Amino acid sequence: KQEVTQIPAALSVPEGENLVLNCSFTDSAIYNLQWFRQDPGKGLTSLLLIQSSQREQTSGRLNASLDKSSGRSTLYIAASQPGDSATYLCASPNVGSGGGADGLTFGKGTHLIIQP
Amino acid sequence: DAGVTQSPTHLIKTRGQQVTLRCSPKSGHDTVSWYQQALGQGPQFIFQYYEEEERQRGNFPDRFSGHQFPNYSSELNVNALLLGDSALYLCASSLGGYPNTGELFFGEGSRLTVL
Repeated sequence: KQEVTQIPAALSVPEGENLVLNCSFTDSAIYNLQWFRQDPGKGLTSLLLIQSSQREQTSGRLNASLDKSSGRSTLYIAASQPGDSATYLCASPNVGSGGGADGLTFGKGTHLIIQP
Repeated sequence: DAGVTQSPTHLIKTRGQQVTLRCSPKSGHDTVSWYQQALGQGPQFIFQYYEEEERQRGNFPDRFSGHQFPNYSSELNVNALLLGDSALYLCASSLGGYPNTGELFFGEGSRLTVL
């Protein structure tokens, strides 16, 4: 069963810095990996989806990479802003016993604070 | 374009009661999944519905059941509530059924408190 780990658990940086959030997974036979943002008490907002055939995806100041061989994905946030403060979660579908995709397995998230 | 909508947003129940949560998927989506998120944890997969049938299920007891309607909306039912069922319940929709490898879009969740 897929296991997902996120490091660090929490991160506080001053506004304007570039930063990297890390996500590792145990099963390299993934279909895709998705990054989400969650504000306190709210639902999840999809940020980026990387298919297994891709190495990276970009959206605005966000760039996500995927390295299946090492079981790692990174989310790069450029020129951080206070509005980026949130919990960032990565997730990947389980590969079911029949080879099909199961529900997403999530990491516990990285709680990010951007200081003004 | 309406996103995923969930109701109610908050509710309080007592142990032993039953609860029903509702979800309308994003326009054009046909697959609904439910997740439970305890405080400080990542969401845990409960089950997935496609074509009005439960297609996949996570490690949750039979007290958790669901339904999908012909208009793709879905309900999550939890019977015999326990204190440990207190959590944020999230609904996600996607397109393409099972195996589902598409992008998931989540609602704002239903916060359940069991006293």
